[in-house]
Amino acid sequence: QVQLQESGPGLVKPSQTLSLTCSVSGVSISSSDYYWSWIRQAPGTGLEWIGYIHGSGTTHYNPSFESRLIISMDTSKNHFSLKLTSVTDGDTGLYYCVRSHLRPSLRYFDIWGQGTQVTVSS
Amino acid sequence: EIVLTQSPGTLSLSPGERATLSCRASQSVGTIYLAWYQQKPGQAPRLLIYGASTRATGIPDRFIGSGSGTDFTLTISRLEPEDFAVYYCQQYSGSLPWTFGQGTKVEI
Repeated sequence: QVQLQESGPGLVKPSQTLSLTCSVSGVSISSSDYYWSWIRQAPGTGLEWIGYIHGSGTTHYNPSFESRLIISMDTSKNHFSLKLTSVTDGDTGLYYCVRSHLRPSLRYFDIWGQGTQVTVSS
Repeated sequence: EIVLTQSPGTLSLSPGERATLSCRASQSVGTIYLAWYQQKPGQAPRLLIYGASTRATGIPDRFIGSGSGTDFTLTISRLEPEDFAVYYCQQYSGSLPWTFGQGTKVEI
């Protein structure tokens, strides 16, 4: 059974860097079959896809985040991470890690973590 | 970026009634690159429908997805009490970024 679990600080100060980790169990994140994504849910913007990393290490980012985003993976720990720099109030929200398949017809988000709330405030 | 517009924003219905939710795309997402999710308070979204019309594992057959190109519909044939939730459509075509609609709330 595949499970995803987000972790990270719930509170980040403006202009600082938000760092989150998604621990994956039940499947290897280095598998070539999957994309591993981050999705944010905020009251004003709804659900936003932030970016993904493939099992090969290839990444693709939403242009809205690209200039301040890094998604990486640690295969030895079977987890992947998000770093978002220069955060503002607008980065407050619930962050989910999710899985989708490589095959184009299967790239919907089939497995979700429970989400972690991040608040940006001084 | 493909913009998905869902309507109505809120649907007020009673158990046993039929719900019809719309999702319109700003450009074609093809015939199969559209998914629907259900979200209840305090929970992550749950996949209901993929490929515009295929139910995910364990999803009851009262949930029916249809449409292609730019116009898609989610129909709940007879609302059960547990169906009152927010529903989102999402496109996963080759046109990145992948995007979501703003959601339709189905309320009693």
